[in-house]
Amino acid sequence: DAGITQSPRHKVTETGTPVTLRCHQTENHRYMYWYRQDPGHGLRLIHYSYGVKDTDKGEVSDGYSVSRSKTEDFLLTLESATSSQTSVYFCAISEGQRGPRETQYFGPGTRLLVL
Amino acid sequence: KQEVTQIPAALSVPEGENLVLNCSFTDSAIYNLQWFRQDPGKGLTSLLLIQSSQREQTSGRLNASLDKSSGRSTLYIAASQPGDSATYLCAVDTGRRALTFGSGTRLQVQP
Repeated sequence: DAGITQSPRHKVTETGTPVTLRCHQTENHRYMYWYRQDPGHGLRLIHYSYGVKDTDKGEVSDGYSVSRSKTEDFLLTLESATSSQTSVYFCAISEGQRGPRETQYFGPGTRLLVL
Repeated sequence: KQEVTQIPAALSVPEGENLVLNCSFTDSAIYNLQWFRQDPGKGLTSLLLIQSSQREQTSGRLNASLDKSSGRSTLYIAASQPGDSATYLCAVDTGRRALTFGSGTRLQVQP
């Protein structure tokens, strides 16, 4: 299994509070991604990073920010959590080289409940 | 905007059957298509990646085909086993390396 950990694995928070989720990889992969998974919507991209300090928005980026100060860590911050951000959040990584090894590897997920 | 559809949404088969899962996408300008497996409460596990120049990929009892011009992919599972029970997701990369996912097919293989 690819070395990807997410912390925390479960979190309950209140509306209006900031929340930071962490993704840590030991594979030295260039690309890192944050997705959310919701019933009826599947997985949707929030933000991704193509290098240290290089990030871009995904399909559902409103209300989220990210930072990547080291190759191995990618942080997702909910600036002011809302109930609509209750979801399961997955981090993924990929090498970034086009070709047969381009697959993405996923972390175990973080279950977030916003009350 | 790329949209990915998977049919059926759920499937229940007896052990030993061969089965086909379908995936369709609206924009044929893709770099690759990937099939994943997700067990309940778990992350996604990559099964197969088909590059846009390829027609199919095989791994053990799994075979995935790609018809880019018609916007279709199929995942064929031979001799299904109860351990194959999971949700199967297809996803396409349209150039940004980030994936657009279908909603998945939930497979139950009955012993």
